[in-house]
Amino acid sequence: DADVTQTPRNRITKTGKRIMLECSQTKGHDRMYWYRQDPGLGLRLIYYSFDVKDINKGEISDGYSVSRQAQAKFSLSLESAIPNQTALYFCATSDFPSRGGELFFGEGSRLTVL
Amino acid sequence: AQSVTQLDSQVPVFEEAPVELRCNYSSSVSVYLFWYVQYPNQGLQLLLKYLSGSTLVKSINGFEAEFNKSQTSFHLRKPSVHISDTAEYFCAVSDGGGSNYKLTFGKGTLLTVNP
Repeated sequence: DADVTQTPRNRITKTGKRIMLECSQTKGHDRMYWYRQDPGLGLRLIYYSFDVKDINKGEISDGYSVSRQAQAKFSLSLESAIPNQTALYFCATSDFPSRGGELFFGEGSRLTVL
Repeated sequence: AQSVTQLDSQVPVFEEAPVELRCNYSSSVSVYLFWYVQYPNQGLQLLLKYLSGSTLVKSINGFEAEFNKSQTSFHLRKPSVHISDTAEYFCAVSDGGGSNYKLTFGKGTLLTVNP
């Protein structure tokens, strides 16, 4: 089983709908991240969390919210999806400072907003 | 905040040719540096990293990268590529510290190895 699991893996939705992407991990890491990947733009950080009480905005947090329900679970929500939120979303974990804060990624959630 | 520049968005090469994927970052303060690889329809996986010590780091599949502090670069090289190396490669740099620690990624370089 994967150490970092994302659900759903693929989702097609319509403009204005609320969407939640979920991430769970069995690595025991404290730090969790949500990134967005768009062709030609690389990965951009949406939100990150260092424990259930610490959540921080990344460079592109507008239009997104997150919830850290437990050390192992970190969810990303789009309250009212719009077409330019169509992208591949990655959850990642880290046990910084171990391993220099290397990130361990899930397999991604592909979201299409029509 | 850090910024990362991958100078080539696409690099086509023939099998068994050498390749260099370039990466420059903005700040000369102490950083950790990473290369990640994304094979088609897969997630990202670590290829190699520089934390400290020797400036030349190597992966198990023949890639190497050299940390150059004065030029703020971390270029990735392989002397002879294989078809199976076709993938997108992302350079990442540590940004911030403590509770603000995160990785900032470049826009990626698509390496296509042709027969």
